[in-house]
Amino acid sequence: SQKIEQNSEALNIQEGKTATLTCNYTNYSPAYLQWYRQDPGRGPVFLLLIRENEKEKRKERLKVTFDTTLKQSLFHITASQPADSATYLCALEMDSNYQLIWGAGTKLIIKP
Amino acid sequence: EAGVTQFPSHSVIEKGQTVTLRCDPISGHDNLYWYRRVMGKEIKFLLHFVKESKQDESGMPNNRFLAERTGGTYSTLKVQPAELEDSGVYFCASSQPNYFTDTQYFGPGTRLTVL
Repeated sequence: SQKIEQNSEALNIQEGKTATLTCNYTNYSPAYLQWYRQDPGRGPVFLLLIRENEKEKRKERLKVTFDTTLKQSLFHITASQPADSATYLCALEMDSNYQLIWGAGTKLIIKP
Repeated sequence: EAGVTQFPSHSVIEKGQTVTLRCDPISGHDNLYWYRRVMGKEIKFLLHFVKESKQDESGMPNNRFLAERTGGTYSTLKVQPAELEDSGVYFCASSQPNYFTDTQYFGPGTRLTVL
């Protein structure tokens, strides 16, 4: 079955630098790969979606890349701010049935 | 526009008791999902409604879990009888997919503790 790996250790980044988070999967490529942000005590919030045939997607300070050869997605936050501190989750949608398979998330800490 | 709401926010029950969780999706959203996150684990899909119909219930753990969505509006998830391993955070999400994407909007979750 599909497994998703995200760094389990917290990522500490200095304010203003670029934060890069990794999402690796094991089996065949998903139709869509999504990134979410989750704050303590809240539900995940959708950030970006990238399709299997796309290499890169951007939204403001966020950028997602998708490499189906490496079976990996990278999530970048440029000019990071303390308010970006949260847990970031990647989720795979294997086909168009909308069921999401989730990674455990990486906690990002932006230090002022 | 109101987001997805869930009730209660917390529930503490004894093993063997029954608990019913409620989810109110965003108005007009046909798709409704239930997910669960057990402590220290990743979020797991439970089931998916399209309006009042169960589209996919492959993630439901066992027959102690019953989800309903009468009238295609709010949904309930009943656990009867609850077991210790049912403890976790139950999330509900709703969406109205279009050709391009299906952005799911999540509620804050219900934290269930079974003692």
